[in-house]
Amino acid sequence: AQSVTQLDSQVPVFEEAPVELRCNYSSSVSVYLFWYVQYPNQGLQLLLKYLSGSTLVKGINGFEAEFNKSQTSFHLRKPSVHISDTAEYFCAVSDRLLASGTYKYIFGTGTRLKVLA
Amino acid sequence: EAQVTQNPRYLITVTGKKLTVTCSQNMNHEYMSWYRQDPGLGLRQIYYSMNVEVTDKGDVPEGYKVSRKEKRNFPLILESPSPNQTSLYFCASSPRWTGPTTNEKLFFGSGTQLSVL
Repeated sequence: AQSVTQLDSQVPVFEEAPVELRCNYSSSVSVYLFWYVQYPNQGLQLLLKYLSGSTLVKGINGFEAEFNKSQTSFHLRKPSVHISDTAEYFCAVSDRLLASGTYKYIFGTGTRLKVLA
Repeated sequence: EAQVTQNPRYLITVTGKKLTVTCSQNMNHEYMSWYRQDPGLGLRQIYYSMNVEVTDKGDVPEGYKVSRKEKRNFPLILESPSPNQTSLYFCASSPRWTGPTTNEKLFFGSGTQLSVL
């Protein structure tokens, strides 16, 4: 079964500094990876996803992530963060069991990004 | 507006008193799922449904029931709630996956904060 690891539970960073949030997944033949963001008191919303094609994926709000198959990683980056980026970020993998037609999402434990003025 | 609606937003109850958290989506999605979010544990899947009358257990199904009688609704039932079910619950939906080009993402509700005393 798939698994997702987010090693950093909290990441403090100053405004306008770059940030990288790390995500590693267990290896599988087909990998579909996602980053979701949760702002305070809200549900999760999709930031970006990798299904196939280019390994560098661009998302909303200036975020991007790179799929690295050899390192089984999907790290999220932003070159310059804003106070409004303060939120919790979840990496997720979609585990598809094509034979049965079922699939499920597995989420990491989340990384709380705190942007400091 | 496309959305997933959960009710109630907050719920305080006592041990053993049956409760239902409702979830409804207006996007004609086949896939629906329930998650609980706990500090340090991220999101864990409780149950999911691939379509009407098709449900399956996620990672933490004990103490929960679901039903999918209609495509738009996917209620979560706690027959006899216990304090360890105190958590933040999210319902999510997604269109059926038809391949890597599917515009796949999970649409989340705003969450239900449940406290079991």
